[in-house]
Amino acid sequence: GQQLNQSPQSMFIQEGEDVSMNCTSSSIFNTWLWYKQDPGEGPVLLIALYKAGELTSNGRLTAQFGITRKDSFLNISASIPSDVGIYFCAGQLNFNKFYFGSGTKLNVKP
Amino acid sequence: SQTIHQWPATLVQPVGSPLSLECTVEGTSNPNLYWYRQAAGRGLQLLFYSVGIGQISSEVPQNLSASRPQDRQFILSSKKLLLSDSGFYLCAWSVLGPRNTEAFFGQGTRLTVV
Repeated sequence: GQQLNQSPQSMFIQEGEDVSMNCTSSSIFNTWLWYKQDPGEGPVLLIALYKAGELTSNGRLTAQFGITRKDSFLNISASIPSDVGIYFCAGQLNFNKFYFGSGTKLNVKP
Repeated sequence: SQTIHQWPATLVQPVGSPLSLECTVEGTSNPNLYWYRQAAGRGLQLLFYSVGIGQISSEVPQNLSASRPQDRQFILSSKKLLLSDSGFYLCAWSVLGPRNTEAFFGQGTRLTVV
């Protein structure tokens, strides 16, 4: 399968701080997706990006589709305790397959 | 609206026993369906995907198999479970939309092989 390199692996931040995480790949993807997973549950889609260079926001979340189509980043502004979870990037290939990064575990201290 | 159901939520099975996990999607037609496995603290590994009834593609060689007997039903099976089959199994669906596709996940099945 395709390899997506997601970093950082984990983060410990104070409530109110901004967060940034990113994903890179050697492959070109048609779509970049960002998900959040709470313990024991399936991932939930946060943001979908469809075009190179696209910058999209969803509340305090902002994500960008890299110009080369091989990378993407996710920013969370003014973090709150409910932001805790594991964030995954995913790249979509050939309309059928989705490949996921290894996840960024976010911990927020009140 | 579309919904995806996956069951059971948790399962403890002995080594060598068979496995059957089921996933159904409602509210859409001809979805692409996926099975992923997530090992503890790790990312999601694509196991199988299906673009239609009876059409299954395997991503990695393994002890598991998948079947799609109906348009919105996807089943993950094994004849004899191994310890290494333990993990969190997730079913997902997608359809081709106006802005390309997005994948949506079920709640997952926690499988422990003992």
